[in-house]
Amino acid sequence: SQKIEQNSEALNIQEGKTATLTCNYTNYSPAYLQWYRQDPGRGPVFLLLIRENEKEKRKERLKVTFDTTLKQSLFHITASQPADSATYLCALDRGSTLGRLYFGRGTQLTVWP
Amino acid sequence: NAGVMQNPRHLVRRRGQEARLRCSPMKGHSHVYWYRQLPEEGLKFMVYLQKENIIDESGMPKERFSAEFPKEGPSILRIQQVVRGDSAAYFCASSPPGTENYGYTFGSGTRLTVV
Repeated sequence: SQKIEQNSEALNIQEGKTATLTCNYTNYSPAYLQWYRQDPGRGPVFLLLIRENEKEKRKERLKVTFDTTLKQSLFHITASQPADSATYLCALDRGSTLGRLYFGRGTQLTVWP
Repeated sequence: NAGVMQNPRHLVRRRGQEARLRCSPMKGHSHVYWYRQLPEEGLKFMVYLQKENIIDESGMPKERFSAEFPKEGPSILRIQQVVRGDSAAYFCASSPPGTENYGYTFGSGTRLTVV
């Protein structure tokens, strides 16, 4: 079965720095890779989606890369702010049709002033 | 335009009772997914439904759990004869019709506590 690992359970960085989160997967390569943000007591919020034939995707201060050779995605938050503190989830989608997502356990990011 | 609505937000059941969790997808969305999040664990897929059809239930426990998405009304996740191990946060997500993947919209979840 698909296995997804996110680099660490917790990441603490100073405000203004770039946060880099890692998502590694095994077995088959997904057609899509998604990143979500989850705050305590809330549901995940969709941030970015990248397709297997895309290398990089950007949205404001967010950047996602996708390396199917390394089986890895990197998620960057530039100019981080305390409001970015949350748990970030990586999720894989196997195919081009909709269906189940395989989630990593998440990385808890804390941005301190 | 309301997002995905789940109710109740919190549900307490005694062992052996039934739990019913409701999910109304976003307006215009016809695909519904249920996920479970156990403490200190990641989100686990349970079931994928379209109106009146179960598309993929490979993540559902074989016994006591069932799901439906009727032609009218919300999607329902039903857990019969709950046990302590069913205590978790249950999230519903929805997506628009079609096969293109634009990401999923999640509700705020129902936190089930079995006492």
